[in-house]
Amino acid sequence: DAKTTQPTSMDCAEGRAANLPCNHSTISGNEYVYWYRQIHSQGPQYIIHGLKNNETNEMASLIITEDRKSSTLILPHATLRDTAVYYCMNSNSGYALNFGKGTSLLVTP
Amino acid sequence: GAVVSQHPSWVICKSGTSVKIECRSLDFQATTMFWYRQFPKQSLMLMATSNEGSKATYEQGVEKDKFLINHASLTLSTLTVTSAHPEDSSFYICSASRDRGGLAQYFGPGTRLLVL
Repeated sequence: DAKTTQPTSMDCAEGRAANLPCNHSTISGNEYVYWYRQIHSQGPQYIIHGLKNNETNEMASLIITEDRKSSTLILPHATLRDTAVYYCMNSNSGYALNFGKGTSLLVTP
Repeated sequence: GAVVSQHPSWVICKSGTSVKIECRSLDFQATTMFWYRQFPKQSLMLMATSNEGSKATYEQGVEKDKFLINHASLTLSTLTVTSAHPEDSSFYICSASRDRGGLAQYFGPGTRLLVL
C-alpha cells in the first residue's frame, strides 16, 4: 500500500496556480518526498523532490511542512499540457518508489 | 534531466513466445534499475529491483523464472518475458537511479506488450 494520501482528482483553470496536497505522516527521517507525473500512456516524469527544505525548479515548487508530514506541489501557471496524474511518494534515495493512486489533475481552458 | 530509453516501445507477439525489453540510461551510469508494470487504469507496480552485476530482487508474486532480468552493465538492463501469455499484456516501465546520494530516479517511456 502507498504510504501517502492524495486527493483523487483536482481541477485547475489554465494560467492559475495548481496546488496539489499530499499527506505522508509516516515518513521517516531519511526519506525524501518525490513528485512525479504521468501523462497518459507515457512513463512517469520526474518533477521535484526534497528532504526538509522547500525546493523550486523550472517545473514547480515543493513546500514541505516543518514536521514533514505533508507537502504541497505548486505549478505556478498551469497549462493544458500539465493535465496528468501526479504522484507524491516518500522513499529513501536509490530505492524503489511506491506508486499510489495519485491525483488526477485536469487543467481546463 | 537524465534520459532513460526503452526498446521496443511496443510489441505484439503470439502466446508462448519470449519478448526482451531493453532499458538504457543514456547519459549517466545507473547503479540500480527498477522494473514496473502498469495495467489499464491502475498505478505502477514494482516488479523487481536490479543492481549491476548481481541478481535481481523480485517483489512478492512476481515469478523470477518468467520475468528474467539481466543488468550486465551500468547503462543497460533487460527484462525478458518468457513464454508470454495474454495475461502478461501490460505496460512495462523501467527506471534508473544513479546512487543513493539524494538523486531522483528517471523513468523510461515504457514498452507496451500485447500478447495474442
